[in-house]
Amino acid sequence: AQSVAQPEDQVNVAEGNPLTVKCTYSVSGNPYLFWYVQYPNRGLQFLLKYITGDNLVKGSYGFEAEFNKSQTSFHLKKPSALVSDSALYFCAVIMDTGRRALTFGSGTRLQVQP
Amino acid sequence: KAGVTQTPRYLIKTRGQQVTLSCSPISGHRSVSWYQQTPGQGLQFLFEYFSETQRNKGNFPGRFSGRQFSNSRSEMNVSTLELGDSALYLCASSLTVTAGANVLTFGAGSRLTVL
Repeated sequence: AQSVAQPEDQVNVAEGNPLTVKCTYSVSGNPYLFWYVQYPNRGLQFLLKYITGDNLVKGSYGFEAEFNKSQTSFHLKKPSALVSDSALYFCAVIMDTGRRALTFGSGTRLQVQP
Repeated sequence: KAGVTQTPRYLIKTRGQQVTLSCSPISGHRSVSWYQQTPGQGLQFLFEYFSETQRNKGNFPGRFSGRQFSNSRSEMNVSTLELGDSALYLCASSLTVTAGANVLTFGAGSRLTVL
């Protein structure tokens, strides 16, 4: 089985401040982890993924995420938030084996205030 | 390179009717997945097609069906519509099947409203 949890429905941060969007996962094998972002009236856009190797993954638009196996977490971070980062962020997980589909978290709305 | 195209973008139906949604994947992508997005349930997997074969199916009733054509284009159909079927239906394509590290590229979605 596989599941992912995003404990915060909304995260508010001031422009220029660092941001963190939290994600924890549960899989019975090794995970592949993803972050996607959704802007209003748009589909989801890929930000970054963790497959194996370096625990710190860098992605699009200055975002990065840290894979922590012991805490089963994959938090999304950015050193300095922009107003344009305001959107809905989804964490997703899939097991590295087996015929499964990508499972998404419930989403976290990021609001960056000017 | 054209993205994933979904049609129609918006549609309104009444209970009991049926609807067909279309998805054209990125050229060269052979896998198409469908997701339903609602405020209450979030993103839920419907099904995935690869080379015209349904490879994976989510936990939806039989009213939800799909197919894929030889050119990788896909359609999904919902029969006997219910109010709870109102949602944004997202299609995503990838080069191969998603049981792995493949990145999904999503379309803008088809927003279905059932009255």
